[in-house]
Amino acid sequence: EAQVTQNPRYLITVTGKKLTVTCSQNMNHEYMSWYRQDPGLGLRQIYYSMNVEVTDKGDVPEGYKVSRKEKRNFPLILESPSPNQTSLYFCASSFGPHYGYTFGSGTRLTVV
Amino acid sequence: AQKVTQAQTEISVVEKEDVTLDCVYETRDTTYYLFWYKQPPSGELVFLIRRNSFDEQNEISGRYSWNFQKSTSSFNFTITASQVVDSAVYFCALSGPNYQLIWGAGTKLIIKP
Repeated sequence: EAQVTQNPRYLITVTGKKLTVTCSQNMNHEYMSWYRQDPGLGLRQIYYSMNVEVTDKGDVPEGYKVSRKEKRNFPLILESPSPNQTSLYFCASSFGPHYGYTFGSGTRLTVV
Repeated sequence: AQKVTQAQTEISVVEKEDVTLDCVYETRDTTYYLFWYKQPPSGELVFLIRRNSFDEQNEISGRYSWNFQKSTSSFNFTITASQVVDSAVYFCALSGPNYQLIWGAGTKLIIKP
């Protein structure tokens, strides 16, 4: 089944404790992206990647890192999480930025 | 500047009614893409349709139809004979600069049995 797999689905962590949200797709998509969704602010892009070893900032990259060492994986790293990073996170992939995205199931992150 | 406006914050209808979700966009690009996504109460985001700026044909998929009108910069979405399972937040989006999507704020659709 074609899918984007995100893990974990839920995560509660403490301020400052590094964490990684994994994202993997099995559709051979070149384009991958991370979004956060917050009430009243909608969907905002954090980072995106056009291909392996090519990543770029979205609208709200501060406090996040990404890497794209392999085509299928695009992890999101929070080196020192803060409470304002409490949010619902989505990973997405597609054949390109102008194609429909396949989204992961989402990761609900709470930073206390 | 590019922008997507979904003026309807929330719509509530009774099952079997037809409902139209509005999407108005702004762009200076001559080539662009428009999208609709669905986010049901379970939270996932589901791609529904993509339309490019050169194709103004209406699209129908089962009970779903989309009306793209460049003259009014609109890309409206109609659900015919709505069902409770159609209850969701629906997002309209526009391809923007720097390989990003410009998202509308979403319309929450409530279908009452």
